[in-house]
Amino acid sequence: KQEVTQIPAALSVPEGENLVLNCSFTDSAIYNLQWFRQDPGKGLTSLLLIQSSQREQTSGRLNASLDKSSGRSTLYIAASQPGDSATYLCAVRFLSGGSYIPTFGRGTSLIVHP
Amino acid sequence: NAGVTQTPKFQVLKTGQSMTLQCAQDMNHEYMSWYRQDPGMGLRLIHYSVGAGITDQGEVPNGYNVSRSTTEDFPLRLLSAAPSQTSVYFCASSPHVGQARQPQHFGDGTRLSIL
Repeated sequence: KQEVTQIPAALSVPEGENLVLNCSFTDSAIYNLQWFRQDPGKGLTSLLLIQSSQREQTSGRLNASLDKSSGRSTLYIAASQPGDSATYLCAVRFLSGGSYIPTFGRGTSLIVHP
Repeated sequence: NAGVTQTPKFQVLKTGQSMTLQCAQDMNHEYMSWYRQDPGMGLRLIHYSVGAGITDQGEVPNGYNVSRSTTEDFPLRLLSAAPSQTSVYFCASSPHVGQARQPQHFGDGTRLSIL
């Protein structure tokens, strides 16, 4: 069974810290990987999408990397702010099966305190 | 630019009742899917569709039915509601597999409570 795991499940950091969220997946044959943000009681907002041929994507203070061979992706958040507090979800589109429907990790709940 | 629209946003049902959660997208996306999100469980796939007239089961399909008569709409039906179906339901869409390089879009969710 293809699985996506996110570590840590929860993280609390002071404002201003640089931090890394981890996502691992069990099958290196992937189409792409997408990072989402979810605020409490809200839907999912797409942050970054990395194609299988890419190594990283950047948007503002966010940088996502992809290492297919090791089955890992990281989301780097620079100079964290209280507004970054949310749950961050990783979703992987695996090649096998043919459906290309993403498989989600359980998320990392981030709190950035002033 | 409505994107993915889910209705209703909130619903309370009694055990045994049936209802339909609506999902519509205006981006001409071929792929649509339903997820449920429970505390500590992440998002789990219920059913999905790769195009009009084509549906398939996901990880947790029991107790739910779907149909896809048009590209735009993908309703999720609860046949006989059970307390275990209390959850937040999300609908998502994305382009055809040939355009699967594009990101997946989500609705705002339907919060469903079964008493």
